[in-house]
Amino acid sequence: QSVLTQPPSVSGAPGQRVTISCTGSSSNIGAGYAVHWYQQLPGTAPKLLISVNTNRPSGVPDRFSGSKSDTSGSLAISGLQAEDEADYYCQSYDSSLSGWVFGGGTKLTVL
Amino acid sequence: EVQLLESGGGLVQPGGSLRLSCAASGFTFSSYAMSWVRQAPGKGLEWVSTITGGDGTTYYAESVKGRFTISRDNSKNTLSLQMNSLRVEDTAVYYCAKTRGDWSSGWYFDYWGQGILVTVSS
Repeated sequence: QSVLTQPPSVSGAPGQRVTISCTGSSSNIGAGYAVHWYQQLPGTAPKLLISVNTNRPSGVPDRFSGSKSDTSGSLAISGLQAEDEADYYCQSYDSSLSGWVFGGGTKLTVL
Repeated sequence: EVQLLESGGGLVQPGGSLRLSCAASGFTFSSYAMSWVRQAPGKGLEWVSTITGGDGTTYYAESVKGRFTISRDNSKNTLSLQMNSLRVEDTAVYYCAKTRGDWSSGWYFDYWGQGILVTVSS
């Protein structure tokens, strides 16, 4: 059971928009700690996608966007492409655990 | 270009020890925190340990506290993870990750190595 809760899977057709939620609690996201997002393509290492709630590192397409509200964060992917098929993870810090925590991951399928 | 290359993985029996290393290049190693994150086969990501760049303060997940020790050699741009009393549930791919941020904006892992497999089995 992960501290941050993500849907196990989402799907969408090419060109569509999908969102992935990341629900936390008052000891992590709700305490003001930032949400970060990672993309893990099959058989590869994770890659930073969004940092500090909304920031896209250089090289990340603007089709990817992040937001944060209260005790949750959200990743939106617009103009879905086949190459976006991957696992996506959110991450934050938890003050009760005194450590960094990840969501359980969401598998995105492009139909 | 940031590069992180892990080494030292392999097969070890329960109760045994293993030392992972991560060779870093392409950035000022001593200026950044570094972390280990693991991923059990078919499972999600789990943070293991972090060491700051300045004073070398260390942080550990409860699951490894007292068994794993993170360290760094800034003169050799190398991060290490000494793993003792290994358990079957420690079996995972271990990633070395450059860590940035601060307590106000949040810490995150901006570059990752390719990962190294550690298998704990009899």
